[in-house]
Amino acid sequence: EAQVTQNPRYLITVTGKKLTVTCSQNMNHEYMSWYRQDPGLGLRQIYYSMNVEVTDKGDVPEGYKVSRKEKRNFPLILESPSPNQTSLYFCASTRGANTEAFFGQGTRLTVV
Amino acid sequence: GESVGLHLPTLSVQEGDNSIINCAYSNSASDYFIWYKQESGKGPQFIIDIRSNMDKRQGQRVTVLLNKTVKHLSLQIAATQPGDSAVYFCAERENNDMRFGAGTRLTVKP
Repeated sequence: EAQVTQNPRYLITVTGKKLTVTCSQNMNHEYMSWYRQDPGLGLRQIYYSMNVEVTDKGDVPEGYKVSRKEKRNFPLILESPSPNQTSLYFCASTRGANTEAFFGQGTRLTVV
Repeated sequence: GESVGLHLPTLSVQEGDNSIINCAYSNSASDYFIWYKQESGKGPQFIIDIRSNMDKRQGQRVTVLLNKTVKHLSLQIAATQPGDSAVYFCAERENNDMRFGAGTRLTVKP
């Protein structure tokens, strides 16, 4: 089954404690991206990657890092999480520029 | 900055009626548009897309209309069912930049 898998689904952490949210896709898609979803703001892109070792900032990259060492994985790293990063995060993958994105199930992160 | 938005944040329809969800976009360079459905506790799911060289596209029970003159996108759902209750997002894409609207919550009354 074609899918995008994120882990964990839920996470509560404390300010400043580094964390990683993993994302994996089994569709051999080149393009992957991370979004955060906040009430009234919709989905905002954090980072995206067009291929292995190629990443670029989205609209809200501050406080986040990503890596793309292999095609299927695109982890999101919060080196020093802060409460304003409490949000619902989605990873997505796309076959090409003008095709639909497949989304993971989401990771609800709470930073206290 | 340029943005994608929605005319109505909520929409309530009777089961069996047709639903129309609207979206305004402002980036005239966008060449690809998508509608997503998001059910509670799940990630967005693709419904239908349309490219800027088209003005209408039909799927199963859904139709997307694109009016480039007024930068307006709509999603029509025929014979709305309880399973259609969800938040619907429009998205526009220019090259690698995809932007989403805030979403419209559709509630279907039995």
